[in-house]
Order: sequence, then structure tokens, then C-alpha cells
Amino acid sequence: AQSVTQLGSHVSASEGALVLLRCNYSSSVPPYLFWYVQYPNQGLQLLLKYTSAATLVKGINGFEAEFKKSETSFHLTKPSAHMSDAAEYFCAVSDLTGANNLFFGTGTRLTVIP
Amino acid sequence: DTEVTQTPKHLVMGMTNKKSLKCEQHMGHRAMYWYKQKAKKPPELMFVYSYEKLSINESVPSRFSPECPNSSLLNLHLHALQPEDSALYLCASSQDWAGGQDEQYFGPGTRLTVT
Repeated sequence: AQSVTQLGSHVSASEGALVLLRCNYSSSVPPYLFWYVQYPNQGLQLLLKYTSAATLVKGINGFEAEFKKSETSFHLTKPSAHMSDAAEYFCAVSDLTGANNLFFGTGTRLTVIP
Repeated sequence: DTEVTQTPKHLVMGMTNKKSLKCEQHMGHRAMYWYKQKAKKPPELMFVYSYEKLSINESVPSRFSPECPNSSLLNLHLHALQPEDSALYLCASSQDWAGGQDEQYFGPGTRLTVT
């Protein structure tokens, strides 16, 4: 079964510094990949998705992610962290059978240090 | 309108109660989902409705009963729940279920506490 692994359950970044959240997928063929953000006591909001159109995907709030087949990775980055970026981030992969079922990673909590 | 709404926002119920969670979307999406999310864990898929028909039931106990009255509405009926069922219940929708590339739009969730 396809899955994603998020390295680092907690990541800290200073305000204005680079944010890097890691996600690796396990699949023999390029899957569909998603990054979602969840603020406390809220639902999930889509940041961006990869559907094979372009390897560098730009999302909302200044986030982007690069699909690297050779590394089976889809890491999320943002050049300059803001206090408002503090949240839980989930990487997810779509079911390769063609159904739209999402399989989520365990999540990474981002803390932004003033 | 890209909003999925869920009511109630919070729900406290006893183990003998019957209650329902409601989810609504007006984006014309044909797939709707229920997820359960425990604290500090990722969402876990419970049910999927595609074109108002139940397509996925991820071995969820029968004390959870989903219903899709029409293409915009999704309900989750709760009966005889256990304290371990306390969680955030998230509803989501997507344009379609087939294909795998449609993003899911999530509601804010219902925080359920079973006493």
C-alpha cells in the first residue's frame, strides 16, 4: 500500500528563516501528493498538490514543494517563516488504484520562534 | 464558494445517547468523506460517498451510521458510542472520487466528547 513518511514530528524555525518540512513517499509509480495545513481546532486546508504537471509546485501562503522522483521526496519549503505559519502540516498521498482516498503522514508541528 | 460547513462545532454525549453530525457543501462535488482525527494524530478515513452511494466503509463499527440524503449533504448518525470515540470528526468533499488527483476540501470539524 502507498504511504508517506514525514521526518520530524516537530520542526522549529526562526521568524524570517527558511522552513523545510520533509515528506517521502513509497510508491513504484509517481503518485498524486498533497500538503495540507491544520491550525489548532480547525479543519485541514490544502497548501498545494502534485499531479505530474510540473515538478516544482507553488502553493498558497508562499509555500512550494518539489517532486523528486530519484529521492521519492516531496519536501515543503517556504523562504521566510512568519509567526502565522505555526501549525500542523500533513503530507498525503492519493490511492494509486485511482480512487481519491488520501493516506496521511503522521504530521509535523511547525513552531516559529520570534 | 469553496466552503464545507459542519454542525455542531462541539458535541458532548453520553454513551446511551443518539446524535447526528451534519456536513454540507455547495460546490457541486460528487464525493464526500468522513474522517476521524484523534489528538496529535493524522485524520483516518471512515466513509466515502460517491454520487450519493456508499463506496468505502473502512471497517467502522456499526455504532457509526453514515447517510447521504442528497449530493450536498452528509450525515453521521451516532448511537451507543464509547469514550474512545471522542475525537474531531472531519467532513471533506472533492469534485470526484475516481482518478485520485482531486483535492479534498475539509470542513472545520465537530469536536465530539463521549462521557
